[in-house]
Amino acid sequence: AQSVTQLDSQVPVFEEAPVELRCNYSSSVSVYLFWYVQYPNQGLQLLLKYLSGSTLVKGINGFEAEFNKSQTSFHLRKPSVHISDTAEYFCAVSRFSGGYNKLIFGAGTRLAVHP
Amino acid sequence: EPEVTQTPSHQVTQMGQEVILRCVPISNHLYFYWYRQILGQKVEFLVSFYNNEISEKSEIFDDQFSVERPDGSNFTLKIRSTKLEDSAMYFCASSEGTSGNNEQFFGPGTRLTVL
Repeated sequence: AQSVTQLDSQVPVFEEAPVELRCNYSSSVSVYLFWYVQYPNQGLQLLLKYLSGSTLVKGINGFEAEFNKSQTSFHLRKPSVHISDTAEYFCAVSRFSGGYNKLIFGAGTRLAVHP
Repeated sequence: EPEVTQTPSHQVTQMGQEVILRCVPISNHLYFYWYRQILGQKVEFLVSFYNNEISEKSEIFDDQFSVERPDGSNFTLKIRSTKLEDSAMYFCASSEGTSGNNEQFFGPGTRLTVL
């Protein structure tokens, strides 16, 4: 079975500062890793995903994440945040196999960007 | 850009009543999912659906729940006799094909309140 831990429930940060949202996972099988963002009153939108290959993954809106297999982590980073990045961020895993794959989500991190 | 839609956005019901939550997945997608998020908790997988049958369901998805694709466009989640603990945000998602790395596109959610 897979599980995901997001270590921070809330992260306050000032505009134009860098930010890191932490995610650790556990799994006995190979997994795919994802970050989703949820803006107020909207659905979940995919930010980026790690499937294989380069461990540094770039996504939309200037976000990137680094897959670290030895530390079973997939932390999300942005060098300079904007007010518009204020949202809930979810880390998720799915198992590495063909066919459909259910997503296992972390509890979410609320990013609050202040002016 | 194609998107997943859900209706209604908010449903209020009395305990013991039946509710049907509706979703219109993206038109060329083949895999459909329901997830839920109880306030303050993780997004949890409920069920996946392919080729007119359930592919996998979680332990949450008991006999009170059912899913259906009544026509070529809608995908519904029915809760036969709602309980207070069914109050949550319900998300529908769809994905295109059969490989595990296919992105799941999420709808905006239906907030179900059971009184």
